[in-house]
Amino acid sequence: GEDVEQSLFLSVREGDSSVINCTYTDSSSTYLYWYKQEPGAGLQLLTYIFSNMDMKQDQRLTVLLNKKDKHLSLRIADTQTGDSAIYFCAESLHTGTASKLTFGTGTRLQVTL
Amino acid sequence: DAGVTQSPTHLIKTRGQHVTLRCSPISGHKSVSWYQQVLGQGPQFIFQYYEKEERGRGNFPDRFSARQFPNYSSELNVNALLLGDSALYLCASSWEGRQETQYFGPGTRLLVL
Repeated sequence: GEDVEQSLFLSVREGDSSVINCTYTDSSSTYLYWYKQEPGAGLQLLTYIFSNMDMKQDQRLTVLLNKKDKHLSLRIADTQTGDSAIYFCAESLHTGTASKLTFGTGTRLQVTL
Repeated sequence: DAGVTQSPTHLIKTRGQHVTLRCSPISGHKSVSWYQQVLGQGPQFIFQYYEKEERGRGNFPDRFSARQFPNYSSELNVNALLLGDSALYLCASSWEGRQETQYFGPGTRLLVL
């Protein structure tokens, strides 16, 4: 089945690390993604990881994938106020000839001073 | 390079009316996907088009239709609007070599009264 779950809210202090977690159910996902959505805006692709990898680092972002537990996390180092947004994890699924993304409900990250 | 563009940015319709939303993909991208994002939820897949052909369709009624033009731009049409169609409609484009990785536009916010 297709179901992606995330916690709804995370609050961190500026300068601390943030860890946003996600679980997914479909083991046939080829890629897993993290998107950022600021108020009133579209989705910005932050990073992604191929399903045969267990870690990917991209500047302040670190993605960890535990395929056995179907668990994905996004760590943001040195979190800044500009990181305040909703973060969505998404898995890519092939349905016939389509490649569709299934999204979680999003985690709202609040960065406090 | 311009990203994905969508028009209009906002519109207000009344129940029973029809609406057409437009999307231009990133230059060089031949695949366009449409998603509906209801307030407080993650985006839901509506359609994917590639080379003017429908590649996949999500769980949406036949009131929703789309098409892709020779220049790879796309239109989403919704007939007989319902209050529940109020949402942010997101268009995403992807490169033919990796259609899973989708880049989103800013969205069109539709309000149905």
